[in-house]
Amino acid sequence: GQQVMQIPQYQHVQEGEDFTTYCNSSTTLSNIQWYKQRPGGHPVFLIQLVKSGEVKKQKRLTFQFGEAKKNSSLHITATQTTDVGTYFCAGPTSGTYKYIFGTGTRLKVLA
Amino acid sequence: DAGVIQSPRHEVTEMGQEVTLRCKPISGHDYLFWYRQTMMRGLELLIYFNNNVPIDDSGMPEDRFSAKMPNASFSTLKIQPSEPRDSAVYFCASSPDTGAATEAFFGQGTRLTVV
Repeated sequence: GQQVMQIPQYQHVQEGEDFTTYCNSSTTLSNIQWYKQRPGGHPVFLIQLVKSGEVKKQKRLTFQFGEAKKNSSLHITATQTTDVGTYFCAGPTSGTYKYIFGTGTRLKVLA
Repeated sequence: DAGVIQSPRHEVTEMGQEVTLRCKPISGHDYLFWYRQTMMRGLELLIYFNNNVPIDDSGMPEDRFSAKMPNASFSTLKIQPSEPRDSAVYFCASSPDTGAATEAFFGQGTRLTVV
């Protein structure tokens, strides 16, 4: 079945350093979503990418969707302690609303 | 709107007991999802509904799990009998039907511990 993997699994950075998480799907995706889950919290939607090669920015966060629509990345510039949490990508099974979540990348920011 | 509301927030039960988790989706949302989150398996989709009808329950682990959505404002996930390996955080999420893919709004989750 469809698999969505993320690397790295964990990342510790010093505050102010950049951070990137990569998402890879075993199948082509019609779109990809990114969520953030704070420790002890619930996933919160960040963004959705639809077009091949699409790049979207939200302040210090930059999201990319690969040309082949099988991979994506999230880059955070100059991390802050508020960026702490687990970042998930999620992609739908073809033709459905069944979103498969990636394995997640847990970010820890050291002040 | 208050968002997706789940109850209880925490549940501790003994092995073999029946557990019922409850969810109230955001009003007007046509899709409802039940997810389970564990350290080992991550965030897994168990079942989802569209307009109160179960669309895909292939993620339901086994017959001990059942889910219902009797109306647009209420859903339950039942485990009977419960086992220690069912310990996890269970999330309910809802989405509007806009004709295209859209974000899922998650509830606060129910942390289930089976001892």
